Amino acid sequence: GESVGLHLPTLSVQEGDNSIINCAYSNSASDYFIWYKQESGKGPQFIIDIRSNMDKRQGQRVTVLLNKTVKHLSLQIAATQPGDSAVYFCAEHTYNQGGKLIFGQGTELSVKP
Amino acid sequence: EAGVTQFPSHSVIEKGQTVTLRCDPISGHDNLYWYRRVMGKEIKFLLHFVKESKQDESGMPNNRFLAERTGGTYSTLKVQPAELEDSGVYFCASSLQPNTEAFFGQGTRLTVV
Repeated sequence: GESVGLHLPTLSVQEGDNSIINCAYSNSASDYFIWYKQESGKGPQFIIDIRSNMDKRQGQRVTVLLNKTVKHLSLQIAATQPGDSAVYFCAEHTYNQGGKLIFGQGTELSVKP
Repeated sequence: EAGVTQFPSHSVIEKGQTVTLRCDPISGHDNLYWYRRVMGKEIKFLLHFVKESKQDESGMPNNRFLAERTGGTYSTLKVQPAELEDSGVYFCASSLQPNTEAFFGQGTRLTVV
């Protein structure tokens, strides 16, 4: 069946270090992947996305890598800051599903000052 | 421009009571989605409206849940009668097109006691 999962439920990093959050997916038909950040009391906020025809996409301090061979997605955050502390969700999407997102469990990132 | 807004932000009700959650999407967004996150698990899709029509309601857990979007503007999600396992955070999201970025509201935290 379809599933999106995360390897680690929690991640604690020192301020200034790089963070890597991983995600596995099982639906090879998924063609679009998104990373969301959810801060306490707020809804998921779009961070970065990547289409299945790409391997890597960079944003400001964030990079998403997609490995379709092993169905693996990762989010890299450079120079992690206290404001990056949040729960991060990966989500997958298939164009013929009408915009429905399938989310992973989420990883809680904690940044130590 | 106002984002997706949800009301109330928090609701505590007793088992067996009825609760109605409301979502106001971004103006002009025909696509409206309901999701929920239960007990720290992944965010799960409930249903998708295109204007006032239910496009996909495959994620609705049972017939105690009723979603409406009369007039194709705001949407309501009613739980009647509420059970303990309905506790969680209910998110609403909207998008211009089905396969474009979805913007999430801040969520309604429902606690059934």
